[in-house]
Amino acid sequence: QKEVEQNSGPLSVPEGAIASLNCTYSDRGSQSFFWYRQYSGKSPELIMSIYSNGDKEDGRFTAQLNKASQYVSLLIRDSQPSDSATYLCAVSSNTGNQFYFGTGTSLTVIP
Amino acid sequence: EAQVTQNPRYLITVTGKKLTVTCSQNMNHEYMSWYRQDPGLGLRQIYYSMNVEVTDKGDVPEGYKVSRKEKRNFPLILESPSPNQTSLYFCASSLKHPRTNYGYTFGSGTRLTVV
Repeated sequence: QKEVEQNSGPLSVPEGAIASLNCTYSDRGSQSFFWYRQYSGKSPELIMSIYSNGDKEDGRFTAQLNKASQYVSLLIRDSQPSDSATYLCAVSSNTGNQFYFGTGTSLTVIP
Repeated sequence: EAQVTQNPRYLITVTGKKLTVTCSQNMNHEYMSWYRQDPGLGLRQIYYSMNVEVTDKGDVPEGYKVSRKEKRNFPLILESPSPNQTSLYFCASSLKHPRTNYGYTFGSGTRLTVV
C-alpha cells in the first residue's frame, strides 16, 4: 500500500469553476500535510500546509483535513487557466523524519 | 533571494563515471533532502538530513551517497551511476523537520541521463 494516494487524473474544469483534489494517506500518526503545485518542467512549489482537522483557507485555495478518515483535499475556487498544473499531496511520516508524496493529480482549467 | 541552488541543471554521463550533484540553500534551513522524480512513481526520497552531520536513508538510497558537513550544503554523490538512475532529481530544504508545519523549498532540479 502506498503511503499517499492521489487520483492521477487528468481533471478538467472550466474556468471559474471549483476544482476539487483529493488525497488519502495510510499512516495514522502523520501530523503535517501539504499541497504543492508543479508546472510542467518546473520544481514543486508549496501552496498550503495544514495540521489540524477542518478547513484552512488562503485566497482561492482551501485545504481540508479529516484525520479520522485519513483524507486531505484541496479546493481551488474560481479556477484560472494559470492553475493548470500537477498538484502533489505530501504527508509527514509518523516518526517525523520524512515526507511522503503522492504521484500527483493533473489539473487542466479550460478557458 | 531565498533559494535552493542545484547544479548542474542537465547532465549526461556514462555508466560507472562518478558524479556529484551539488545543492546549497541560503535560508539557514535545518532539514535537507534529495528526491528523484520518475513518471508514474512520483517523488521518492533518496536521503535526508536533519542537521549538520546527521543523515539517513530515505526510500530509495541504493547507489547514492550524501554528506552534510555544512548546514547550507547537501551534495548527492553517485559513485558508479547506472542507467536506472536516469531521472529528474530535486534537492529540497525545510526550516525544521517534517513533523512541523514548514514545507519544502525545492531546487530547480537536475535532469540526469546515464548511458
